[in-house]
Amino acid sequence: GENVEQHPSTLSVQEGDSAVIKCTYSDSASNYFPWYKQELGKGPQLIIDIRSNVGEKKDQRIAVTLNKTAKHFSLHITETQPEDSAVYFCAAVPGNDYKLSFGAGTTVTVRA
Amino acid sequence: DAGVTQSPTHLIKTRGQQVTLRCSPKSGHDTVSWYQQALGQGPQFIFQYYEEEERQRGNFPDRFSGHQFPNYSSELNVNALLLGDSALYLCASSHLYNEQFFGPGTRLTVL
Repeated sequence: GENVEQHPSTLSVQEGDSAVIKCTYSDSASNYFPWYKQELGKGPQLIIDIRSNVGEKKDQRIAVTLNKTAKHFSLHITETQPEDSAVYFCAAVPGNDYKLSFGAGTTVTVRA
Repeated sequence: DAGVTQSPTHLIKTRGQQVTLRCSPKSGHDTVSWYQQALGQGPQFIFQYYEEEERQRGNFPDRFSGHQFPNYSSELNVNALLLGDSALYLCASSHLYNEQFFGPGTRLTVL
């Protein structure tokens, strides 16, 4: 099955700086890569996703890049704000599958 | 438009007991997936229901079972509870192969 690795496990940034989280996946058949933000006591919230026919996608301060050859994808958050502090999860879904395979998560702390 | 809802919010059970968790999908969604999230870890896929049938199952024992109703809502049942079943149980709904949206989860504590 699909195996997703996520780095780093924790990330502390100064407010206004950028944050980058990287994930690698094992199944070359994976074609859908969502990112979720989970705040304390809440369920994961979908913040952005990318499909394998696209190399990059942006939504305001958030962007995701995908390198299918290297089998890795990254989340970029620019101009970080205190409300960006949360746990972020990457996930991958193979084309013949329905389940989300999650990374272990990255705890992002934005220092004011 | 209400998102994915789950009940109850919290639940405390003792070892050996049985539990039923409930999920109502987002309006327009016909597929429900269940995930288990242990403390400090990413969610792990339990199973997915579509058209009232279990379409795919993760690596969970038969003690975990589910059901989907004609209105697309779903239940997760866990029998013979173990201490290791303590976790946040998440329901996610989707339509066809589209994005999965998660509910707030049910926090299960097994004593």
